[in-house]
Amino acid sequence: QKEVEQNSGPLSVPEGAIASLNCTYSDRGSQSFFWYRQYSGKSPELIMFIYSNGDKEDGRFTAQLNKASQYVSLLIRDSQPSDSATYLCAVSKAAGNKLTFGGGTRVLVKP
Amino acid sequence: EADIYQTPRYLVIGTGKKITLECSQTMGHDKMYWYQQDPGMELHLIHYSYGVNSTEKGDLSSESTVSRIRTEHFPLTLESARPSHTSQYLCASSEFGAGHTEAFFGQGTRLTVV
Repeated sequence: QKEVEQNSGPLSVPEGAIASLNCTYSDRGSQSFFWYRQYSGKSPELIMFIYSNGDKEDGRFTAQLNKASQYVSLLIRDSQPSDSATYLCAVSKAAGNKLTFGGGTRVLVKP
Repeated sequence: EADIYQTPRYLVIGTGKKITLECSQTMGHDKMYWYQQDPGMELHLIHYSYGVNSTEKGDLSSESTVSRIRTEHFPLTLESARPSHTSQYLCASSEFGAGHTEAFFGQGTRLTVV
C-alpha cells in the first residue's frame, strides 16, 4: 500500500463547476497536509496546507481534513480552464519531516 | 516567489559521462530534497538532507550521490550517466522546525542521456 494515494484521473470538469479531489494516507501519525498544483512540464507549486480537522478556505480552494478517516480533499469552486493541471497531495509526519507525495490527480476543465 | 535555483535547466549528455546537477537556495532552509519525475508520472524522493553534512537516501533507489557542505547548496552527482537516468530532477527546500513545512521547488533539470 502506498503511503499517500490519489486517483490518477483525469477528472473532467465543466468550466464553472466544482472539482473535488481526494487523497488518503496510511500513516496515522501524519500531521501536516499539503496540496500542490503542477502544470505540465513545470515544478509543483503550493496551493494550500491544512493541519487541523475540518475545512480551510483560500479563495476558490477549500481543503478538508478528516484524520479519523485518514483522508484529505481539495475542492476547486468555479473551475477555470487555467485550473487544468495535476494536483499533488503531500503528507508530513511532523514539522520538519520529509514530505511524501501522492501520485497526483490530473484535472481537465473544459470550456 | 521562492529563491531556489537549479542549473542547468536542460542537459543532453553521452553515456558514461560524469554529471553534477546544481541546486542552491537563498532562504536559509535547513532541509533540502531531490526528486525524480518522469513525464506524466509521480514524484519520487531520491535524496534529502536535514542540514550541513547530513544526507539520507529517499524512497526510490538511485545511483546518484549528493553532498551538503554548505546550507545553501545541495548538488547531485551521477558518476557515469546511463540512458535509464533520463528524467526530470527537481530540487526543493523547506524550513526545519515547528510550523508548516511546505517545500519550495526549483524549476528542475531535464536530463537526457544518449
